[in-house]
Amino acid sequence: DTGVSQNPRHKITKRGQNVTFRCDPISEHNRLYWYRQTLGQGPEFLTYFQNEAQLEKSRLLSDRFSAERPKGSFSTLEIQRTEQGDSAMYLCASSLGGLLYGYTFGSGTRLTVV
Amino acid sequence: GQQLNQSPQSMFIQEGEDVSMNCTSSSIFNTWLWYKQDPGEGPVLLIALYKAGELTSNGRLTAQFGITRKDSFLNISASIPSDVGIYFCAGQLRSGGGADGLTFGKGTHLIIQP
Repeated sequence: DTGVSQNPRHKITKRGQNVTFRCDPISEHNRLYWYRQTLGQGPEFLTYFQNEAQLEKSRLLSDRFSAERPKGSFSTLEIQRTEQGDSAMYLCASSLGGLLYGYTFGSGTRLTVV
Repeated sequence: GQQLNQSPQSMFIQEGEDVSMNCTSSSIFNTWLWYKQDPGEGPVLLIALYKAGELTSNGRLTAQFGITRKDSFLNISASIPSDVGIYFCAGQLRSGGGADGLTFGKGTHLIIQP
């Protein structure tokens, strides 16, 4: 399978704990995006990498959210001190050279904060 | 933030009927995309539109990019049970330069009655 892979698929955590999600993009894709989707809403853009450079992070929801893509391949999204309002689906997408070249989403990580 | 107004919110139709949904915005978009999302999965790209006035088909699906760059519609002809799901429009702002990610509508929930 050469699609975008996200792990874990589901995560249940207690409020106040830190969580980290991983995204493995399609191997030749140099651009990687993170989105959050809450129930009944469309995905909401969070941040964007071109290779290892994070070119947009002003949309991250708070300073508790951070993302990395250290070698320009896989990426991680970390949420520190989770709150119940962080419960959502976190989606990753990748593309080669922007929207003209296959903007593909993964299946997401469903986070539940209890 | 920017908003896409997607309508209708939900549709209850019978198998074999045609479906039409649309998105409008007060902002100009460079690109319009239509996605379908099944429960627990990420969005899957159906049609991408890159030029104002463009009309594109993908099997039973047809979508158009409005002349004003502020709207788009998606038609599905002769609906079948596997068309059930949530359909999202998404666009990239004209001023985005790629780094803004996509702006999504709230989705149209398509339900097919037996």
